[in-house]
Amino acid sequence: DAKTTQPTSMDCAEGRAANLPCNHSTISGNEYVYWYRQIHSQGPQYIIHGLKNNETNEMASLIITEDRKSSTLILPHATLRDTAVYYCIARGANTGNQFYFGTGTSLTVIP
Amino acid sequence: DSGVTQTPKHLITATGQRVTLRCSPRSGDLSVYWYQQSLDQGLQFLIQYYNGEERAKGNILERFSAQQFPDLHSELNLSSLELGDSALYFCASSVVGRNTGELFFGEGSRLTVL
Repeated sequence: DAKTTQPTSMDCAEGRAANLPCNHSTISGNEYVYWYRQIHSQGPQYIIHGLKNNETNEMASLIITEDRKSSTLILPHATLRDTAVYYCIARGANTGNQFYFGTGTSLTVIP
Repeated sequence: DSGVTQTPKHLITATGQRVTLRCSPRSGDLSVYWYQQSLDQGLQFLIQYYNGEERAKGNILERFSAQQFPDLHSELNLSSLELGDSALYFCASSVVGRNTGELFFGEGSRLTVL
């Protein structure tokens, strides 16, 4: 599975969009990009995933560049409850592949 | 609520002891994963079971073992405990067979070794 690189930490003002970048320059054609978040010591929570196209759900939007070497998770209107560590994971489509969590981005939403 | 249940939520024990952590996956999920998260560390994959069979192994110590039972619940056994084993242990489940296969995590078991 491809290695991903994320900034260690970010701040975002409450009510503004939070844009969390992820680099996955060695991603292969069958690897999906997944985003999870972990709110302090709770179990990680699935947010969204995608392969090539941009994706949107009730939690967030995922923008994947055309060359698939990077992506951005967008929380459209950040709230204080979005303060968490966000993990970007590239994982192959084979269901035997694992989710390897790195250190993620610690997002702090500021009132 | 993810639907994944872990017990106990908290456990305090002494070095050299043995503990068992229990996980009940979401209804219908055949695959169970165990992860360890030490203080200020990322999530480390330990082991995966699918329908009772070991599917993949990560950084699991020889002192640790796991199994998945016919009713699909799983147990993680930690023996000869050391101070460094103090951590949050998460269980996750997924519907293997779908190519998305996102994981659903429980709330974790916090182990403190004194």
